[in-house]
Amino acid sequence: GDSVTQMEGPVTLSEEAFLTINCTYTATGYPSLFWYVQYPGEGLQLLLKATKADDKGSNKGFEATYRKETTSFHLEKGSVQVSDSAVYFCALSGPNAGGTSYGKLTFGQGTILTVHP
Amino acid sequence: NAGVTQTPKFRVLKTGQSMTLLCAQDMNHEYMYWYRQDPGMGLRLIHYSVGEGTTAKGEVPDGYNVSRLKKQNFLLGLESAAPSQTSVYFCATTHSRSQHFGDGTRLSIL
Repeated sequence: GDSVTQMEGPVTLSEEAFLTINCTYTATGYPSLFWYVQYPGEGLQLLLKATKADDKGSNKGFEATYRKETTSFHLEKGSVQVSDSAVYFCALSGPNAGGTSYGKLTFGQGTILTVHP
Repeated sequence: NAGVTQTPKFRVLKTGQSMTLLCAQDMNHEYMYWYRQDPGMGLRLIHYSVGEGTTAKGEVPDGYNVSRLKKQNFLLGLESAAPSQTSVYFCATTHSRSQHFGDGTRLSIL
């Protein structure tokens, strides 16, 4: 079945440092890939997504590129802020070709990011 | 999170008690989902629905039942709560291949 593996955390950085959170996946077909962010006490919010190979998703300074050859979707940010402290989840959703995934998401285990001033 | 509302937000139960979690959405989305979140395990799909009157099992359905009698509501039931069901429960809907989540229900089973 489908699976998502994220780098283990927690990750602790100083403000303005460069961030990378690794994500690799196993799936049949051509899944859509997502990064979600969860702030303390809140639900998950979509951060960015990519629906086909070589697509780059970006939002709020975060970027991730869909790499089919390495089955990866690593999250990057050039300069993190204290307000970026949160839990980050990589996820995938079934094949793109109108298959029967019904939008179900498979999540990685989450990576806790803490940014210090 | 505008559009997906979960009630209650917190609940403590004793082993063997029953309860129902309610998810309501005002976005007219067809697909709805229930997940549980446990430390170090991400979110796992319990049940989902692709429309009014339909339900299907996800990855971890045992011990839970669901109903979708109205399009806007998706109910998750625990008939006989067990300590292993202590978790944070999230409801979600899908739009344009992206899921929208509620703020969660924190459930503790003693």
